[in-house]
Amino acid sequence: SQQGEEDPQALSIQEGENATMNCSYKTSINNLQWYRQNSGRGLVHLILIRSNEREKHSGRLRVTLDTSKKSSSLLITASRAADTASYFCATDSIDYKLSFGAGTTVTVRA
Amino acid sequence: EAEVAQSPRYKITEKSQAVAFWCDPISGHATLYWYRQILGQGPELLVQFQDESVVDDSQLPKDRFSAERLKGVDSTLKIQPAELGDSAMYLCASSLSQGLMNTEAFFGQGTRLTVV
Repeated sequence: SQQGEEDPQALSIQEGENATMNCSYKTSINNLQWYRQNSGRGLVHLILIRSNEREKHSGRLRVTLDTSKKSSSLLITASRAADTASYFCATDSIDYKLSFGAGTTVTVRA
Repeated sequence: EAEVAQSPRYKITEKSQAVAFWCDPISGHATLYWYRQILGQGPELLVQFQDESVVDDSQLPKDRFSAERLKGVDSTLKIQPAELGDSAMYLCASSLSQGLMNTEAFFGQGTRLTVV
């Protein structure tokens, strides 16, 4: 079973545009994390936002968290071809499980 | 740079055979995770260890899967007997997490299992 659900399932944008994807989850969390996965590879951690934080930035990434709506968003600004990957949200739930959603596949066109 | 090591990278096995995967986490990482990822889906948590203790194995099909982390360092995931539906990527990850919060997880490259 998966805790988070990402939306949209797939996203295709032009290089230089912004990409936004959303994650909804079901149970109370300690924190929410975003990961990137290039085709056939392991996942790479991008950013972690704690349950008492509302927004966090890291380079071209901006993450928001709304615990009242049980949702988070990831914004990638000024996208590059190298951003082409699948992006997953992961919830650290209060029962100490790290669970992933189904992911959003982002394609950045040159 | 420290990495999570997994072996083998690829494994082809016949159904009903036994198969084992090995994972060596980053030194000092207390928490170790095994995930299964079917193509096009997100990782599904199979088992989570805190040192040598199992934190969660609720999604582990215990009739055929077993996992151990005897000394709280490296870990082995075994499937016996393998079924066609077990074909997937098996990912191992580790983190410094101790206590009741999961922090950044570092993933290995995974083992791609094909059951024929």
